[in-house]
Amino acid sequence: DTGVSQNPRHKITKRGQNVTFRCDPISEHNRLYWYRQTLGQGPEFLTYFQNEAQLEKSRLLSDRFSAERPKGSFSTLEIQRTEQGDSAMYLCASSLTPRAEKLFFGSGTQLSVL
Amino acid sequence: KNEVEQSPQNLTAQEGEFITINCSYSVGISALHWLQQHPGGGIVSLFMLSSGKKKHGRLIATINIQEKHSSLHITASHPRDSAVYICAVLLNYGGSQGNLIFGKGTKLSVKP
Repeated sequence: DTGVSQNPRHKITKRGQNVTFRCDPISEHNRLYWYRQTLGQGPEFLTYFQNEAQLEKSRLLSDRFSAERPKGSFSTLEIQRTEQGDSAMYLCASSLTPRAEKLFFGSGTQLSVL
Repeated sequence: KNEVEQSPQNLTAQEGEFITINCSYSVGISALHWLQQHPGGGIVSLFMLSSGKKKHGRLIATINIQEKHSSLHITASHPRDSAVYICAVLLNYGGSQGNLIFGKGTKLSVKP
């Protein structure tokens, strides 16, 4: 148990529907990251937060994607009008500080868009 | 060309063998992570390096900043070491800690 919790573990949705994922980081961790991983590839950075501030967004994060961390604790990632190309594993990670030795990853949310 | 390249892509070893996985990168970095991913997606952070060498149990990680290269070694490999090993570099630009760029991973299978 890494301490980072993601829900749901699996999500199947139809194209065009909206989905929301949740990440609960380790409680004292300031940094929270979202990544996306497709089969056979390494994870790709999506966005990260320092407390409640969203500091950086990847160009992969189209306007259909939005992420929040309203109180600097849990975070949500919403995908609107899902497309089949959004099917992937969405991973969340947290760290105590920007230069912390270790990142702690959640088990991910596997999204399948039919 | 990917900014982070790992070799080999796949590696099969016999139990007890010494294993080396390589990572080369083409960008300026402030640190490099080695991660282990088991089937089902769970990722565990093994090391973060900015210079030199680190050792934890049977795992050794080295980095050569000038050559933009890092290696992960596993001594006395065991079937439970079977996993995907991922190299990720932390960009260093503009004062921001930036984000991680990941390699595609090396799939290791250790046979008993």
